[in-house]
Amino acid sequence: DSGVTQTPKHLITATGQRVTLRCSPRSGDLSVYWYQQSLDQGLQFLIQYYNGEERAKGNILERFSAQQFPDLHSELNLSSLELGDSALYFCASSLRGEETQYFGPGTRLLVL
Amino acid sequence: GQNIDQPTEMTATEGAIVQINCTYQTSGFNGLFWYQQHAGEAPTFLSYNVLDGLEEKGRFSSFLSRSKGYSYLLLKELQMKDSASYLCAVRDQGSNYQLIWGAGTKLIIKP
Repeated sequence: DSGVTQTPKHLITATGQRVTLRCSPRSGDLSVYWYQQSLDQGLQFLIQYYNGEERAKGNILERFSAQQFPDLHSELNLSSLELGDSALYFCASSLRGEETQYFGPGTRLLVL
Repeated sequence: GQNIDQPTEMTATEGAIVQINCTYQTSGFNGLFWYQQHAGEAPTFLSYNVLDGLEEKGRFSSFLSRSKGYSYLLLKELQMKDSASYLCAVRDQGSNYQLIWGAGTKLIIKP
């Protein structure tokens, strides 16, 4: 158990819908990262937040957005969902921004 | 540009030793990580190298040569539970210290 929690574990929705994925980092960690992993693909970095502020952006679509709240939990919002958005979404956290990242169990999203 | 290369798949026998290689090109190397990922599960941290040489942790060891842009993960006394993907990731100063991830090496252990 890494100490990073993610909810929900599974999510099934339809094309065009909007969903919110939630992540709570390890106690004491200030940085949160979001990754997407499609079936049999590598990890794609989406976005990083540090202490409530966006720090780095990766290959995040405009339909996706995220934020980190004062209690340091983070949410990833996915809108106008397409079939190709079906994937595992992982959240990871680290102490600041340069240390080892620890991953949550992921949310498996299926868009039908 | 930034690039990380790992073999796509490797097969090894239970009880044997396997070496998984990773070569990288980045604009500002600042450390290399190895993670293990079982199918459908989260990546778990295995090792970190920032200086040249070998880091040993039980059955797993990781080696780094910065001048060659090369690392390997060595797994000894292989067990069936070692069947997983092994991800190499490089921290890049030029990308605001983000991790650049390899596609992963799927390791299959046979009895």
